[in-house]
Amino acid sequence: GQNIDQPTEMTATEGAIVQINCTYQTSGFNGLFWYQQHAGEAPTFLSYNVLDGLEEKGRFSSFLSRSKGYSYLLLKELQMKDSASYLCAVRHMTTDSWGKLQFGAGTQVVVTP
Amino acid sequence: ETGVTQTPRHLVMGMTNKKSLKCEQHLGHNAMYWYKQSAKKPLELMFVYNFKEQTENNSVPSRFSPECPNSSHLFLHLHTLQPEDSALYLCASSQNSGQTSAHQPQHFGDGTRLSIL
Repeated sequence: GQNIDQPTEMTATEGAIVQINCTYQTSGFNGLFWYQQHAGEAPTFLSYNVLDGLEEKGRFSSFLSRSKGYSYLLLKELQMKDSASYLCAVRHMTTDSWGKLQFGAGTQVVVTP
Repeated sequence: ETGVTQTPRHLVMGMTNKKSLKCEQHLGHNAMYWYKQSAKKPLELMFVYNFKEQTENNSVPSRFSPECPNSSHLFLHLHTLQPEDSALYLCASSQNSGQTSAHQPQHFGDGTRLSIL
């Protein structure tokens, strides 16, 4: 089957670093996305990984290991506005050459002063 | 502003009512999606339209009926819903052109919060 696991909630202090892990089991892997979703708002795209390694975008970085079925999102210099749910999503390539996106349940990050 | 607009933002309806959710995207994308988001659960893909053609129906009950009149508009018609259908319904769009657009993310609207009485 296809499964995506991420922690339910993480708490960290303003200015600190938090790492959100995501593990997945899938056939036909074709990329992994991270989204941020504030309460009552749309999920917004943060990052995309399809090859092994680290992608850095300002305070946010995302890492992928395809052999381990593992990714993490690293949030540095945490700010209060980073309090949100972070969604891990895996793209599966299907026989019709179009890939479906399967989401994890999300990790609620709480940033405290 | 995500480029994807959903209306209404909130909807309360009885189990015998008929209503429709609307989604419009201003991004020039060729694919649109409906997702259901329930508390503490992953987003569930419901329907996918590529170039106005439905390419995915993820075993969704027939009380949910999608309509895609063109690449910019997507509707979800609702009738005789059940209390367990109460959730946030999210619309998304993306540019799908096969492998070359695999890295293109889906862009989401703010959703319609649906409550079934």
